[in-house]
Amino acid sequence: EVQLVESGGGLIQPGGSLRLSCAASGFTFSSHWMHWVRQAPGKGLVWVSRISTDERKLHYADSVKGRFIISRDNAKNTLYLQMNRLTVEDTAVYYCARDHYGANSLASWGQGTLVTVSS
Amino acid sequence: DVVMTQSPLTLPVTLGQPASISCRSSQSLVHSDGNTYLNWFQQRPGQSPRRLIYKVSNRDSGVPDRFSGSGSGTDFTLKISRVEAEDVGVYYCMQGTHWPWTFGQGIKVEIK
Repeated sequence: EVQLVESGGGLIQPGGSLRLSCAASGFTFSSHWMHWVRQAPGKGLVWVSRISTDERKLHYADSVKGRFIISRDNAKNTLYLQMNRLTVEDTAVYYCARDHYGANSLASWGQGTLVTVSS
Repeated sequence: DVVMTQSPLTLPVTLGQPASISCRSSQSLVHSDGNTYLNWFQQRPGQSPRRLIYKVSNRDSGVPDRFSGSGSGTDFTLKISRVEAEDVGVYYCMQGTHWPWTFGQGIKVEIK
């Protein structure tokens, strides 16, 4: 069974940094592109970032480009999102999701971790 | 970016009756490879999203066959043949044809 477990969320002041992790199991992590998607409180889903299997291809939404860094450790089956210069607009539940190769889709999602940016 | 527009924003439904959710894209979702990458996700209250349908009409394993997807080009529909209580939640369409991938704003399905 595919499992994705996010961690690292919490309360952080504006301008601060936070690193999210997503521990994957139940599938061959190194064979799948991975994504981060976020959802502000009471709002819809917004794609944030994705990373290729070998980390050579990284993509970001314009809203986080230059501030967030996606990475992965295939030996540890873990996906990361380093978030810098956080603003109140970054407050959201952050989900990691597994790519579905050949379907341009998000096949499996974690339970999410809440990031609250507030002074 | 491709704008995905869903309607209606809230859909009151009667148990046992059919329901239909519409999703429109601002550009054709036919990819240069010939595929149409349109997905449907369900988010039950307090839960993370769960994919129901990919590539317009392919149902995920474990998804009840009362859910079906259809459409082409810029117009797509998710249908629930007979609504059950467990279907309450928010339904999102998402396009994976154009970069960046974008979601609709979500349709809240509630029981009348």
